[in-house]
Amino acid sequence: GAVVSQHPSWVICKSGTSVKIECRSLDFQATTMFWYRQFPKQSLMLMATSNEGSKATYEQGVEKDKFLINHASLTLSTLTVTSAHPEDSSFYICSAPGTGSTPPDFGPGTRLTVT
Amino acid sequence: DAKTTQPPSMDCAEGRAANLPCNHSTISGNEYVYWYRQIHSQGPQYIIHGLKNNETNEMASLIITEDRKSSTLILPHATLRDTAVYYCIVCFNNDMRFGAGTRLTVKP
Repeated sequence: GAVVSQHPSWVICKSGTSVKIECRSLDFQATTMFWYRQFPKQSLMLMATSNEGSKATYEQGVEKDKFLINHASLTLSTLTVTSAHPEDSSFYICSAPGTGSTPPDFGPGTRLTVT
Repeated sequence: DAKTTQPPSMDCAEGRAANLPCNHSTISGNEYVYWYRQIHSQGPQYIIHGLKNNETNEMASLIITEDRKSSTLILPHATLRDTAVYYCIVCFNNDMRFGAGTRLTVKP
């Protein structure tokens, strides 16, 4: 599978500000990438599918105007948490797809803390 | 929604085999069975995957029943570093949906 990196690995921001998280596929050109959110002691929840050159597809219950996704190139997808609130504090993880014979790969995650 | 069912927790003695079961009775013919694990505050780590046949790699073995409705992940000689949450996922088109997983604790 692809090698996936995320930046930053952690970030602390004040309530009301916006935070951008980058997800890079280092060795694979990904037309789609996936964003997950994980709250403490819970499993990963799929938030949205990032599509290169078109709009992201959001899962039910995920606010698209709050979680802005941009898939600017075949190796970069960004998630911007706008007007962040403490309840947005979470572990955000992205993944790049596999091909069936090769597995999807996940980034190391970004821990967001909103104060 | 996750299409798999796993026991919430399991214990295993260090050096012994850990056998983690997973039920996926509604699996479709083109869906793979993937196993990942997650150590605290890290991204999921790939372990193994398969479609129909049993698979083995340097980390683990995957046993898939003939009807594909269940599978077992086998860690042949568990170490303390194998303590993690293990996720069994069935998926075809990469949008993986995670269930609650099994928290495996390897004890000395």
